[in-house]
Amino acid sequence: GAVVSQHPSRVICKSGTSVKIECRSLDFQATTMFWYRQFPKQSLMLMATSNEGSKATYEQGVEKDKFLINHASLTLSTLTVTSAHPEDSSFYICSARNGFQETQYFGPGTRLLVL
Amino acid sequence: AQKVTQAQTEISVVEKEDVTLDCVYETRDTTYYLFWYKQPPSGELVFLIRRNSFDEQNEISGRYSWNFQKSTSSFNFTITASQVVDSAVYFCALSEIMLTFGGGTRLMVKP
Repeated sequence: GAVVSQHPSRVICKSGTSVKIECRSLDFQATTMFWYRQFPKQSLMLMATSNEGSKATYEQGVEKDKFLINHASLTLSTLTVTSAHPEDSSFYICSARNGFQETQYFGPGTRLLVL
Repeated sequence: AQKVTQAQTEISVVEKEDVTLDCVYETRDTTYYLFWYKQPPSGELVFLIRRNSFDEQNEISGRYSWNFQKSTSSFNFTITASQVVDSAVYFCALSEIMLTFGGGTRLMVKP
């Protein structure tokens, strides 16, 4: 199957700093990438959808100025958590697909802990 | 609006038992896709299967099998002869344009 990587896998940062998470599709071109957030023992919640070369579409309640998404190429999307606070601590997972009705393949996730 | 319900939040079985994970969905569209993903403790979501709404054939892959019944809007997943390595959270998902996840079922297989 298709492979999606995420980096870093784990990050600990101080409150007020910014953190960048990278999501890469390794063996296919991802026309669309998605960013999800998952709290412990809960399901995945979609944060935003990004299409290569255009602005991301954010879900209701997600602050676009806080969670900056860039999808600069067909294989790379980045999520930057700006001025992180402890409540931003979570598991962030990206996914990618090549085509409108194609399967989404997920990255291994990034555990963010904000102290 | 689309919705996916996984009524079983946790299931515990002993190794070698068969187990079925239930998934019920709601959608107004006639064209859609159904998925199952596995999330082991490491956190990564592993794709297991995709089924489109026009294909109601059941599918078997090794110890895994899926039963899709449009009449009851269900897409159940059975693991035969469960193993400890099957312990994970399993998510059922529905896709029209976007992917909607169920709440997940945590499966614990004890030796």
